[in-house]
Amino acid sequence: NAGVTQTPKFQVLKTGQSMTLQCAQDMNHNSMYWYRQDPGMGLRLIYYSASEGTTDKGEVPNGYNVSRLNKREFSLRLESAAPSQTSVYFCASSDAGHSYNEQFFGPGTRLTVL
Amino acid sequence: QKEVEQNSGPLSVPEGAIASLNCTYSDRGSQSFFWYRQYSGKSPELIMFIYSNGDKEDGRFTAQLNKASQYVSLLIRDSQPSDSATYLCAVRETGSARQLTFGSGTQLTVLP
Repeated sequence: NAGVTQTPKFQVLKTGQSMTLQCAQDMNHNSMYWYRQDPGMGLRLIYYSASEGTTDKGEVPNGYNVSRLNKREFSLRLESAAPSQTSVYFCASSDAGHSYNEQFFGPGTRLTVL
Repeated sequence: QKEVEQNSGPLSVPEGAIASLNCTYSDRGSQSFFWYRQYSGKSPELIMFIYSNGDKEDGRFTAQLNKASQYVSLLIRDSQPSDSATYLCAVRETGSARQLTFGSGTQLTVLP
């Protein structure tokens, strides 16, 4: 039982390049989330998927797109990377049927945009 | 803009002391409150949640909630150097589809 996995762990991009961050969970959770974490700013929600087939914007969606490929997988795409997108990206999942909404986090992807 | 505020610290306490971490939130209708611990370079992990006014204890950890004052706190008794981490407060707010809003975190250092 791996929990939430993310690939890659590290990535360096040049401005304007594109990439997709992958996330998968094996806990049969309905809801999945993408956050970014910048120094001193806590976790900010980029996009979330309450259930398979649905996605919604969070607090900071500009410059990103997401795909809920199936119940297990939720990817985050940067179409044209900018230095302001240098951050640590965390994927999380939770069981929508659990009223306390504990979110389980993946190990993170450390992205640098030059 | 719904907000969750924490003192950023750093907070330093000697080993064996009580560490007190505080969090305030702006949405009076918030329903559930969470404390996550994040070690440097690692992902957040849940240590406590609380949804009713009062205290909730789990081992050395006690979460306290006061909805009238819109205030939630985490007490760590008999602090250990292994407790040194950043503690994130998170709030599930009214109407949010299972979303959490996180504070910026308080960095705690427990000195041997």
